[in-house]
Amino acid sequence: NAGVTQTPKFRILKIGQSMTLQCTQDMNHNYMYWYRQDPGMGLKLIYYSVGAGITDKGEVPNGYNVSRSTTEDFPLRLELAAPSQTSVYFCASSYTVGTALGGNTIYFGEGSWLTVV
Amino acid sequence: AQKITQTQPGMFVQEKEAVTLDCTYDTSDPSYGLFWYKQPSSGEMIFLIYQGSYDQQNATEGRYSLNFQKARKSANLVISASQLGDSAMYFCAMREGQRFPGNMLTFGGGTRLMVKP
Repeated sequence: NAGVTQTPKFRILKIGQSMTLQCTQDMNHNYMYWYRQDPGMGLKLIYYSVGAGITDKGEVPNGYNVSRSTTEDFPLRLELAAPSQTSVYFCASSYTVGTALGGNTIYFGEGSWLTVV
Repeated sequence: AQKITQTQPGMFVQEKEAVTLDCTYDTSDPSYGLFWYKQPSSGEMIFLIYQGSYDQQNATEGRYSLNFQKARKSANLVISASQLGDSAMYFCAMREGQRFPGNMLTFGGGTRLMVKP
């Protein structure tokens, strides 16, 4: 049972570099999310997607881009990395709320630790 | 205004005793859901318990129960018979349901629970 898989787990970036955090889920979930967690804080929503081809901004989208070309994949792109983007990034997925498939269950990846120096 | 407030940054509890972690929330959406997650030092997000705004009974999952007081907008987590493995960060989170059918969550700042032997 793979669930939600994120890569890489750890990465150090230099200021101004770009990178993509990969996220894949194998549960055929329509909803996918990217959160970031700063030290000692709760998670904040960066972007989300309601299905292939549809994405929207969350609470803290600046400095990030996403795409959803397939149901399974939801990569997060960091352009021109800044020290403020040092954080732990979590990808998550779920079914639509209210379905018999368990719409109240959210599956999180294991997190990606990113440091920008 | 904070949507999710956890007023206890850190707490100690003696092993085998019960502990209550506080969570208050703020929403005007009549349809919402409240989640509790555990985050051990390894970093993953572990789902503990869910309460829907229309649920008539308080949710329970093994040693975890949710003391849901809708009029007071509180959703406290009760852990019975604490174990050393319960030492972790605990996050309360809310989904506001009418606007989006997905699980876009707003998280509180967390409570660090430390269980003493």
